[in-house]
Amino acid sequence: DAGVIQSPRHEVTEMGQEVTLRCKPISGHDYLFWYRQTMMRGLELLIYFNNNVPIDDSGMPEDRFSAKMPNASFSTLKIQPSEPRDSAVYFCASSPVAGGQETQYFGPGTRLLVL
Amino acid sequence: RKEVEQDPGPFNVPEGATVAFNCTYSNSASQSFFWYRQDCRKEPKLLMSVYSSGNEDGRFTAQLNRASQYISLLIRDSKLSDSATYLCVVNTLSSGGSYIPTFGRGTSLIVHP
Repeated sequence: DAGVIQSPRHEVTEMGQEVTLRCKPISGHDYLFWYRQTMMRGLELLIYFNNNVPIDDSGMPEDRFSAKMPNASFSTLKIQPSEPRDSAVYFCASSPVAGGQETQYFGPGTRLLVL
Repeated sequence: RKEVEQDPGPFNVPEGATVAFNCTYSNSASQSFFWYRQDCRKEPKLLMSVYSSGNEDGRFTAQLNRASQYISLLIRDSKLSDSATYLCVVNTLSSGGSYIPTFGRGTSLIVHP
């Protein structure tokens, strides 16, 4: 299995632009998680999906952030408009069972820099 | 108070040393616990789960103390390759019936020759 795939791996954009991050989970995993990691705040859970349905989005910082999962093999995290404080590493992870007794498998992350 | 707290370190130890990390959690309803390892500029990867009875995997031992609400990770005979950041993860059942994973901010370990 190729593992969790994220694209792009790096993104540099200017403030105000729309940013779309993409994730392909491991086949057969029912759960998909989006995280953001910064030096200041560590790894924060933004949202997670079960069978393509958003279960908990309490970690989404504000309305500028949105996430979708149109099918079992694809998810997007969109920031519109982007701001410099959104600069971070964004990880996608998938799990066969929602965190209860199974591990999460992380993608390599997208490093976002908003100028 | 943060839900999951770790000493950020860094812990700077010589090869062969034994080092231990603790992680405290605030929600007594937390259900499951894990240690992840994250190398510089890489994604987190599972190191080991933490079971109530404690568990060992080679040089690594994890323990859970529910009464005091902390988990620990012990690394014996440290290797240079153990240098990384160690993240503890606590899964807690939410009011909605779903498990919410919360990561600590990690403890940095540097093993030197």
